[in-house]
Amino acid sequence: NAGVMQNPRHLVRRRGQEARLRCSPMKGHSHVYWYRQLPEEGLKFMVYLQKENIIDESGMPKERFSAEFPKEGPSILRIQQVVRGDSAAYFCASSPPHSPLAFFGQGTRLTVV
Amino acid sequence: SQQGEEDPQALSIQEGENATMNCSYKTSINNLQWYRQNSGRGLVHLILIRSNEREKHSGRLRVTLDTSKKSSSLLITASRAADTASYFCATDLNTGTASKLTFGTGTRLQVTL
Repeated sequence: NAGVMQNPRHLVRRRGQEARLRCSPMKGHSHVYWYRQLPEEGLKFMVYLQKENIIDESGMPKERFSAEFPKEGPSILRIQQVVRGDSAAYFCASSPPHSPLAFFGQGTRLTVV
Repeated sequence: SQQGEEDPQALSIQEGENATMNCSYKTSINNLQWYRQNSGRGLVHLILIRSNEREKHSGRLRVTLDTSKKSSSLLITASRAADTASYFCATDLNTGTASKLTFGTGTRLQVTL
């Protein structure tokens, strides 16, 4: 049973471009979470999704950021018109229903130049 | 200030010594979890302690929880160089699920030979 898979591991984008981050949850996990980590800081919650539904997006900026978890395929975190301040590590986690345990991927390190 | 703050921010010890890290939080919780993050990597789940538990052990790890003081401690006994990492506590904001975990800023542990 593979763990949570994120790709790419590293992503470089120029200001104004779009960034797409992918996350495949562990087999059997229907809940996906995205977190952002700035250097020397802890993880900050962004969004919680179940298949085809956004459950809680209270931590996600209202503009330029969107997330989806389609019926088929990975969850996608999309950042439009990236700015330097978007540079961070973005982590995805998954969990089975009704469980407090979240399993994290290795993260995608986004650098905006 | 944020939920889940660890102290110390950084800790340097020699191999074989014990390392103690503390975490404080502000709101009621169902569970508190500790994670480890090696430099540039994802988070690895270490241990979960429920709000009705006071102490839990896992190998060389010992976690305590004091809900009256809203604090937890992680003790690593007989530390090894491989324990060098950042350690984070995470609380679930009384949801009982993995949704919207709140992380502290972490304790950076350095274990030297």
